[in-house]
Amino acid sequence: DADVTQTPRNRITKTGKRIMLECSQTKGHDRMYWYRQDPGLGLRLIYYSFDVKDINKGEISDGYSVSRQAQAKFSLSLESAIPNQTALYFCATSPKGARAPYNEQFFGPGTRLTVL
Amino acid sequence: AQSVTQLGSHVSVSEGALVLLRCNYSSSVPPYLFWYVQYPNQGLQLLLKYTTGATLVKGINGFEAEFKKSETSFHLTKPSAHMSDAAEYFCAAASGTALIFGKGTTLSVSS
Repeated sequence: DADVTQTPRNRITKTGKRIMLECSQTKGHDRMYWYRQDPGLGLRLIYYSFDVKDINKGEISDGYSVSRQAQAKFSLSLESAIPNQTALYFCATSPKGARAPYNEQFFGPGTRLTVL
Repeated sequence: AQSVTQLGSHVSVSEGALVLLRCNYSSSVPPYLFWYVQYPNQGLQLLLKYTTGATLVKGINGFEAEFKKSETSFHLTKPSAHMSDAAEYFCAAASGTALIFGKGTTLSVSS
C-alpha cells in the first residue's frame, strides 16, 4: 500500500467551481506539503504544515487554501478555480526534528487537475 | 534566497552512454541537496541525497552525485544509461523549512 495517497488522481472542472484535493499518509510524519508542477517550472510550494495547528503559506498560495484535519490528512482547496490553476499537484510529507534535519520529503502520486 | 539551477531542460543520450545532469545551487551556506526522479505518471522518488560527510554520494539505480562546494554544484551521473532511466530529474536544496526545486531535466535514452 502506498504511504502517501492523493485523491482524486485526475479531475476536470470548470472555471469558478470549488474543488478539494485530498492527501492522506500512513508514514506517521508530522510535516505535510502541497506543491504544484508546471512544465518547465519544476515544483513550487503552495502551503505547508508542520503540525495540525501550524499552517504556512508557500511561494504561490494565492487562490488556494488548506486544511489539516488530522496528522495524517492535509487537503488543498481551490475556492474558485481558474484555468491557470491547471497543473499537476503533489502532496509530500516529512518527519520533523532530529529524525530528519535535512528535510527529505516523500511524495504522493499526484493529482492532475484541468480547469476549463 | 536559495535557488537551484539545472542546466539543460532536456538531455539525450544513447543506451550505454554516460549520463550527466547538471545542478548548481546558490547559497552562502552549503545546503542539504537531493536528486529526485519522476517516471511518467508517477510521483517523485528520491535518488540520492547529500547531507554531511562524504562528498560523493551513491544512490539507487547506479546513479551518483558529487557535492563540490567550490563550484556550488551537485551534478548527477551514471556511467552507462539504460532505457529505463528515461524520466524527469529534479535537483533540490533544503532551505530552512522547505525544499527548493530546480526546473527539471528530462532525460531521453535512445537505443
